Amino acid sequence: DTEVTQTPKHLVMGMTNKKSLKCEQHMGHRAMYWYKQKAKKPPELMFVYSYEKLSINESVPSRFSPECPNSSLLNLHLHALQPEDSALYLCASSQVALRTEAFFGQGTRLTVV
Amino acid sequence: AQTVTQSQPEMSVQEAETVTLSCTYDTSESDYYLFWYKQPPSRQMILVIRQEAYKQQNATENRFSVNFQKAAKSFSLKISDSQLGDAAMYFCAYWKGGSEKLVFGKGMKLTVNP
Repeated sequence: DTEVTQTPKHLVMGMTNKKSLKCEQHMGHRAMYWYKQKAKKPPELMFVYSYEKLSINESVPSRFSPECPNSSLLNLHLHALQPEDSALYLCASSQVALRTEAFFGQGTRLTVV
Repeated sequence: AQTVTQSQPEMSVQEAETVTLSCTYDTSESDYYLFWYKQPPSRQMILVIRQEAYKQQNATENRFSVNFQKAAKSFSLKISDSQLGDAAMYFCAYWKGGSEKLVFGKGMKLTVNP
């Protein structure tokens, strides 16, 4: 199983809403990542979890709150987002420190209205 | 800081023809990996091919092969016998050994014409 599953695939939320994105993998990877991708741009790293601990936060605004409840699951909690936060949010996983390659999910297309 | 440059924003190729996508990178590290990822309209980033910097032999995966020129810091992807399903955004990416960050190029949109 080389799959990273993200839910939901699409999400529309208002600026006062609270929502969560979910990412799951069962490859035994102990590194998990959140990326943000705008149209026709490369993915931008947001957060990295290594062994369920936050190891990298790329100065992401606090309205994005990551959580890694266990080694298979990664969440991204969203609150008070702005329209400019509309983007594709990609989750990825890998062996720690990318010893092989990163496997990506299909992403959640987020629209903030 | 490491950088990855894909200078061609778009390319097109006829079905069954061969196309080469260019990528250059800048690093002072000796332990690093290079990747080509494909992102079709379905949005999922799919690994196409991977090259370890310490390996002199160019990586090959079926119709996909790379020309890795370490001294020139060049990492081009050749797609042979192009198929309609190859149409996608292609991203070149760099990873420094021991790091947790993939550094992506800006990407290149490949169109395959029937």
